[in-house]
Amino acid sequence: KAGVTQTPRYLIKTRGQQVTLSCSPISGHRSVSWYQQTPGQGLQFLFEYFSETQRNKGNFPGRFSGRQFSNSRSEMNVSTLELGDSALYLCASSGLGDTQYFGPGTRLTVL
Amino acid sequence: AQTVTQSQPEMSVQEAETVTLSCTYDTSENNYYLFWYKQPPSRQMILVIRQEAYKQQNATENRFSVNFQKAAKSFSLKISDSQLGDTAMYFCAFMNRDDKIIFGKGTRLHILP
Repeated sequence: KAGVTQTPRYLIKTRGQQVTLSCSPISGHRSVSWYQQTPGQGLQFLFEYFSETQRNKGNFPGRFSGRQFSNSRSEMNVSTLELGDSALYLCASSGLGDTQYFGPGTRLTVL
Repeated sequence: AQTVTQSQPEMSVQEAETVTLSCTYDTSENNYYLFWYKQPPSRQMILVIRQEAYKQQNATENRFSVNFQKAAKSFSLKISDSQLGDTAMYFCAFMNRDDKIIFGKGTRLHILP
């Protein structure tokens, strides 16, 4: 089976812009979770989608949003980018109640 | 709220030695999952080992094994015969019934030649 894929792998944006990241889960996985990883805060949970519904949400401002499509692919969007949003964004997919498998991540740099 | 604590920010061991990484967690739940993930310099997060809380037997995967002490809420990872390729950041993680994962801050492990 192909693993979790994330696009793009690298992004450079400027403050105030918005960005959309994409994640394609392992075939058959219906749950997709998103994480932000920074040197200072470590790995922080953003949200989780299951069958096109947001099932869990972390403590991030409303500028961070996501969605999931009927084929389980997911996107996350960050609006009005801030310097502090520079991070590695990781996506993970899983079957129900199962282990999460991670993609390679998208490294976002905000200038 | 659940928390995961890794008390060793960084460790170094010689190749072929055995090393143990510590992890403690806090939860009021009885059924949950625990994981160790490895993140090498490539940044790809790789599952090392998984433990279901209802299982008393410690999980093992080749050179990797855990010491799961449910009452003490401790979940340490032992790497035997360490190899240079084991150099990575290791994260302990807890997953509850809602499939939400909480990660520790990580332990940076250096395997020295």
